[in-house]
Amino acid sequence: AQRVTQPEKLLSVFKGAPVELKCNYSYSGSPELFWYVQYSRQRLQLLLRHISRESIKGFTADLNKGETSFHLKKPFAQEEDSAMYYCALSGLGAAGNKLTFGGGTRVLVKP
Amino acid sequence: DAGVTQSPTHLIKTRGQHVTLRCSPISGHKSVSWYQQVLGQGPQFIFQYYEKEERGRGNFPDRFSARQFPNYSSELNVNALLLGDSALYLCASSSRQGSNTDTQYFGPGTRLTVL
Repeated sequence: AQRVTQPEKLLSVFKGAPVELKCNYSYSGSPELFWYVQYSRQRLQLLLRHISRESIKGFTADLNKGETSFHLKKPFAQEEDSAMYYCALSGLGAAGNKLTFGGGTRVLVKP
Repeated sequence: DAGVTQSPTHLIKTRGQHVTLRCSPISGHKSVSWYQQVLGQGPQFIFQYYEKEERGRGNFPDRFSARQFPNYSSELNVNALLLGDSALYLCASSSRQGSNTDTQYFGPGTRLTVL
C-alpha cells in the first residue's frame, strides 16, 4: 500500500526565515516523489519532483530512502510562498501511475 | 493551450441524484485521472483512463464510474449521491501511462455540494 504523511497542518514563518515541510512515505517498491503547490485561487501545480533533482523557486527536496522521507526546504521564505503544499507519491502498480497525496501543509509567510 | 479544463465549476445536487462531471485533457495527452478532494484533506485517487480503457481504480464504491472518449476527454459519473460525496473533484492529464515519472497536470476542479 502507498501512504504519504505530512505531519504539519500549518507552518507559520517570518519572511526571510528558513522553512522545512516534512513528508514521509510508505511504499514497498521504488517510488517517484513530487511536491505540488496550490496558491490561493489557483489550480494544483507541480513544484518539483525527485527525478529532476532541480531547485524551483528556491525550494529543494531530497529523497532519503533510509528514512523514507522527502522533505521540502527553502532557506529564505518569501511572502509569495504562502500556499498549500502537498507531497505526493507515484508508484507503478495495478493502478497505473496514480498519485497518493499527503494531507497537505499550509504555509503562511508573515512580513 | 488552456491546460486541463473541467465543467461545470460548481454544482449543487440533492441526495439520491446523479451527477456527471466533464474533463478535457491537455492537447496530446492520452491519460486522464480523477481525484476527489474533501475539504481539509489531500486529493484521493478515483480512476485512471488511458486510451479509453480503465487502467486503475481507487477505493471508491461502484456508484462511481467513468469513461474516456476517442478525443481523450473524460466523464466522471456518480450515482445515488450521498452527503459525503460533497467535495472538489479534480481531473489530471498526463502524456503517458505506465511510467511513475510522468507529471500529472491538474484542472481547476468541479465543486460538488450534495444537500
